[in-house]
Amino acid sequence: NAGVTQTPKFRVLKTGQSMTLLCAQDMNHEYMYWYRQDPGMGLRLIHYSVGEGTTAKGEVPDGYNVSRLKKQNFLLGLESAAPSQTSVYFCASRTGPNSPLHFGNGTRLTVT
Amino acid sequence: AQSVSQHNHHVILSEAASLELGCNYSYGGTVNLFWYVQYPGQHLQLLLKYFSGDPLVKGIKGFEAEFIKSKFSFNLRKPSVQWSDTAEYFCAVNSNYGGATNKLIFGTGTLLAVQP
Repeated sequence: NAGVTQTPKFRVLKTGQSMTLLCAQDMNHEYMYWYRQDPGMGLRLIHYSVGEGTTAKGEVPDGYNVSRLKKQNFLLGLESAAPSQTSVYFCASRTGPNSPLHFGNGTRLTVT
Repeated sequence: AQSVSQHNHHVILSEAASLELGCNYSYGGTVNLFWYVQYPGQHLQLLLKYFSGDPLVKGIKGFEAEFIKSKFSFNLRKPSVQWSDTAEYFCAVNSNYGGATNKLIFGTGTLLAVQP
């Protein structure tokens, strides 16, 4: 039972490049979330999903897109990376709206 | 605007000292409250949670938190900290205000350093 798995663990992009971060969970959770963590700013919600085929915007959605084509996967895309998107990205999932989150180990992204 | 505030950004304590970290929120309606801990180089882990009932909740590793509805607060406490408690602590709130039951919003975190 792997829990929440994020790939890749590290990535360096140049400004303007695109990439997709993958989050996979094997706990049959309905709800999945993408957060970014920046020093002094805590975790900020980018996008989230309450079920397969549904997505919604969080606190800081601009510059990101997401897809939830399969229940177990939640993809975060950056179409045109900017230095302001340098951050550590965490994926999380949970069974329902009042359940605690299970986090992945994070993806450290640097945009130069 | 809905928000979660952690006023202590950086706390330094000696071992065996008592700890209290503040958390205040500005949501209306029913709230579910969480404290998470992030040890250096690791992802966030759940320390404790409050949904309903006894407002004093106990978590792992000797931590506890008290929900005071009138003060919109959920402060984290530990009577005697250890060096291994050095970590960053995050308060999080899930509110049903305005129908937004699915968002879990985090505070900015408190970095705790325990000196041996």
